[in-house]
This record gives sequence, C-alpha cells and structure tokens, in this order.
Amino acid sequence: GDSVTQMEGPVTLSEEAFLTINCTYTATGYPSLFWYVQYPGEGLQLLLKATKADDKGSNKGFEATYRKETTSFHLEKGSVQVSDSAVYFCALKAGTGKLIFGQGTTLQVKP
Amino acid sequence: DAGVIQSPRHEVTEMGQEVTLRCKPISGHNSLFWYRQTMMRGLELLIYFNNNVPIDDSGMPEDRFSAKMPNASFSTLKIQPSEPRDSAVYFCASSGDGSGNTIYFGEGSWLTVV
Repeated sequence: GDSVTQMEGPVTLSEEAFLTINCTYTATGYPSLFWYVQYPGEGLQLLLKATKADDKGSNKGFEATYRKETTSFHLEKGSVQVSDSAVYFCALKAGTGKLIFGQGTTLQVKP
Repeated sequence: DAGVIQSPRHEVTEMGQEVTLRCKPISGHNSLFWYRQTMMRGLELLIYFNNNVPIDDSGMPEDRFSAKMPNASFSTLKIQPSEPRDSAVYFCASSGDGSGNTIYFGEGSWLTVV
C-alpha cells in the first residue's frame, strides 16, 4: 500500500543553519505530495505542496521538489530560525483522496 | 473564512464514559477525515467520508469507535465506552475533491481518559 517514510528526529540545528528533512514515498499512480507543520499545542498547517513530478513547492523560505525518479520530496530551508522549531510531516494524497502521513520529524533550532 | 471547527477542544473523562467529538468542515468541502495523534503511533487515519458516505473506516481501532456524518456540515466521532488508551489528540480535516486539493485541519480535540 501507499506509504511515506521520513528521516528520524529530532533534528537539532543552530540558527541560520541549512535544513534538510528527507522524505520518500511509495505509491501507485501519481500522488500529490505535501509538507505540513505542527507547532507545539497546535493543529497541522499546510506548509507547501506539489501535485506533479518536477513541481517545486515553496513557502516561508521552505522548498521541496517532487522527484518521481527517486520517489522523494525532501524539505529544505537555507537559513532556519528559532521560530521554525516544530514537527514537520511529509504526506501523500492519492487519487482515493486519502492523506497518508510520515511519522513526523521534530526540528529544534537553537539561538 | 472559517476553518475546520472542532469541539470540544479539551475533554477529560472517566474510563467507561461515552465521548462525542464534533466537527464542522469547511463549507463546500466534500471530503472529511478523522485522524488520531499519539506519541507512540503518530498520526493515524481513522475514517474518511466523501459526500457524507464513509469510504474507508479500516483505521477505526475497534467497535467502541463509531463515526457519522449526517449532513455535509457536521460529523461526530464517538467512543463508547472510553478507555485510558484512547487518550490522544483527535483531528478532523476536510478537503475538496481530487488528489491535488489540500486537506485542512482543525485545531484538534485533546482527550484524556482517566
């Protein structure tokens, strides 16, 4: 069945460091891919998305490119801030409409 | 625009009691999802509806859990009887049709069963 695998956390970085959170997926067909972010005590918010191969989603300095050949959707940011500390979830949505999440990666950014 | 609205935000109940969680999806959305989040198991899809019809309930843990969507603007998730292991955050989410449509989440119902 469809699935999403993320790198294990927590990821701890200093402010202004470069961030990569790896995400790979397994799916039949051509899913859409998403990154959601969850700040402490809050619900999930959409961060960015890509709906077809080679699309790049971007928002708030974060980027991810839909790579069909490597079945990946890695999240990157050039310079993280303390306020980026949160849990990041990679997810795929297949034609059935189901949204399937990875296990989440906790990011801690230290000043 | 109003987002997905869930109630209650927080509930503490005793083991054996019935718990009802409520959700109002975004107007015009025809898919609704119930997720459960715990530290141990992460985010699990419990059930989802399309046009008020349950499409996939394979994630519902057991018969103590039931979900309904009597109309396009309201859904409930009921646990009867509740157990301490049901303690979790329950999220409701909604979206339009199609794989490219974003799923929007409510703020969650934080359930503690003691």
